[in-house]
Order: sequence, then C-alpha cells, then structure tokens
Amino acid sequence: QVQLQESGPGLVKPSQTLSLTCTVSDNSISSSYFYWNWIRQPAGKGLEWIGRIYTTGSTKYSPSLKSRVTLSLDTSKNQFSLKLSSVTAADTAVYYCARSNYTYGYTWGQGTLVTVSS
Amino acid sequence: QSVLTQPPSVSGAPGQRVTISCTGSSSNIGAGYDVHWYQQLPGSAPKLLIYGNNNRPSGVPDRFSGSKSGTSASLAITGLQAEDEADYYCQSYDSGLSGPVVFGGGTKLTVL
Repeated sequence: QVQLQESGPGLVKPSQTLSLTCTVSDNSISSSYFYWNWIRQPAGKGLEWIGRIYTTGSTKYSPSLKSRVTLSLDTSKNQFSLKLSSVTAADTAVYYCARSNYTYGYTWGQGTLVTVSS
Repeated sequence: QSVLTQPPSVSGAPGQRVTISCTGSSSNIGAGYDVHWYQQLPGSAPKLLIYGNNNRPSGVPDRFSGSKSGTSASLAITGLQAEDEADYYCQSYDSGLSGPVVFGGGTKLTVL
C-alpha cells in the first residue's frame, strides 16, 4: 500500500511563498497510471483541489489558484512539490498530497497544517 | 459554493439506513464521469470509501454502497454504527470552467 507524506514549514508569513513536498513510498511516481495532486482544507471547511502533475511534468491547476501555483516532480527522489505564492491568511489550511487516477480515486497523505501569519 | 452539491448534514439512529446525495450537472456527473466517495473521520485525512460510482475498496464494509443516475450520485449506509459518524465527500471530474477535479461541499453524518 503506497504511503504519501507531506513536509514543509508549518508557518509562512503573508506575501511569501508556501512550499511543500510530498514523498511517495514507492516508485509509482514514475508510472503513467497516476496523477499527483495537492488538495487543501481550511479548518472546519470542505476540500479544495489545488492542482495535479503527471509523470511527464504536465500540470493542471484550479482556475481560482492558477496564477499563484506551481507544481513540480522529482522522480529520482520519489517526490513532488507545491509552491503557492503571495499567500494570505485565507491560505491557512491543512494541505494534503494525494495520488489519483480516474478509475480508482484518491489515496491521501496524512496532511500538514500550514498557517499564514506574521 | 461547491460544484457538487451535498446536504450539509444528515443523521440517523444506530441500525438505520441513511443516504447522502451528490448533485452535479451536465459538465461533470451528467457527462459520464465517475463519482468517488471519501470518509473523513474527525482529525484524520479523507479515506476512499467508494470508487467508480459503486465499488468498495478492500476493507470497506458492505454496509456502504454507491449509485449514480443522470447528474446525481448517492451514498447509502445501512446498519448505521457509531463509528460511521464522520464527514463524507463526493468527488468527480468536470469538463467546464471549474477545473478538472471537483468535490462536494461535504456532509456531516451524526449517529444519534
């Protein structure tokens, strides 16, 4: 069973860039079968899909976040990463990384809380 | 405002049956995209509960079932148990301006 683990700073200052990395426990990150996603959840609220990256490096982003999001992939390290620029308090949330395909849905990491505050 | 609409809350007594609806449109569920359901226990990450509209991953009890018709999908839970108290989310895909991946707003299930 694949495991995904988010890592990165838990506190980011307003206007700075939030950076998170997800480490995948197997080498399925090189598989053509899966997408690699970031999803977030503000406290007490629902799930918001941020974006996904494919093994080729092809990306898709949420229209509402597209101008501030960059995803990247490092297959040699079994990792993929999220950068969210110009953060505000509204970006405070638990951030999840997840593996997906259209048929079998999402497998989630445990999540990491990121707080935007000075 | 989520692209997929779910009731904010449902409740039922132990042993009862409850259903959670997920209503979409012609650009997502109605376009033929599969619906997946996730269970999120308090303080935990979401967990896949139903995939491909009506399939259970290994380890998910058969008390949980899914269905899809037209622009909507439903999750049914029979023989309700206290440990089923959680938030439930539907998820699908969208060919419109909302982005390729869409979630419902979530439904809080309370076991009375």
